[in-house]
Amino acid sequence: NAGVTQTPKFQVLKTGQSMTLQCAQDMNHNSMYWYRQDPGMGLRLIYYSASEGTTDKGEVPNGYNVSRLNKREFSLRLESAAPSQTSVYFCASSKGGLAYTEQFFGPGTRLTVL
Amino acid sequence: GENVEQHPSTLSVQEGDSAVIKCTYSDSASNYFPWYKQELGKRPQLIIDIRSNVGEKKDQRIAVTLNKTAKHFSLHITETQPEDSAVYFCAASKTGNQFYFGTGTSLTVIP
Repeated sequence: NAGVTQTPKFQVLKTGQSMTLQCAQDMNHNSMYWYRQDPGMGLRLIYYSASEGTTDKGEVPNGYNVSRLNKREFSLRLESAAPSQTSVYFCASSKGGLAYTEQFFGPGTRLTVL
Repeated sequence: GENVEQHPSTLSVQEGDSAVIKCTYSDSASNYFPWYKQELGKRPQLIIDIRSNVGEKKDQRIAVTLNKTAKHFSLHITETQPEDSAVYFCAASKTGNQFYFGTGTSLTVIP
């Protein structure tokens, strides 16, 4: 059981470049999430997917798009990267909804935008 | 939306002492409050959680208390050990899908 996996682990982009962060889980979870973590800011929700086929904005969605490809996979796309998007990105999954269950996090992607 | 504030931002304690981290939330509809521990360079992991129909929950050396009237909840770690050194995050949710995190507390346990 790999849990939640993310690729890549590190990435350096130039301003204006695009990229997609990949996330997959093998726990048959319904809900998946993308967070960014910045020093002194804690974890902030970018987008979440409560179930396959649905996505919703979180606290800080501007500049990002997501795709829930299937139950296992949830990708995050930066169409035109900006230095303000330099951050550590975590994907997470949970059984979700009213069960209020534990979120399991991936190892993170450290993104630097120059 | 919800606003979660967490204090202190840093905390140093001697090994064996207790540590207390406090969080307040703004949305009275929030009803689920997890605490996550993040060791340096690692992913956050759930250590304990509490739901709004419970006032206190314990798990060995860790306890969480919730005061719904005052809209605050606290993490208590007793008999601290060096391996408790980490960043701790509180969070609040009312839907079980959208979570709002505090800004974190960096705990250092001095041997």
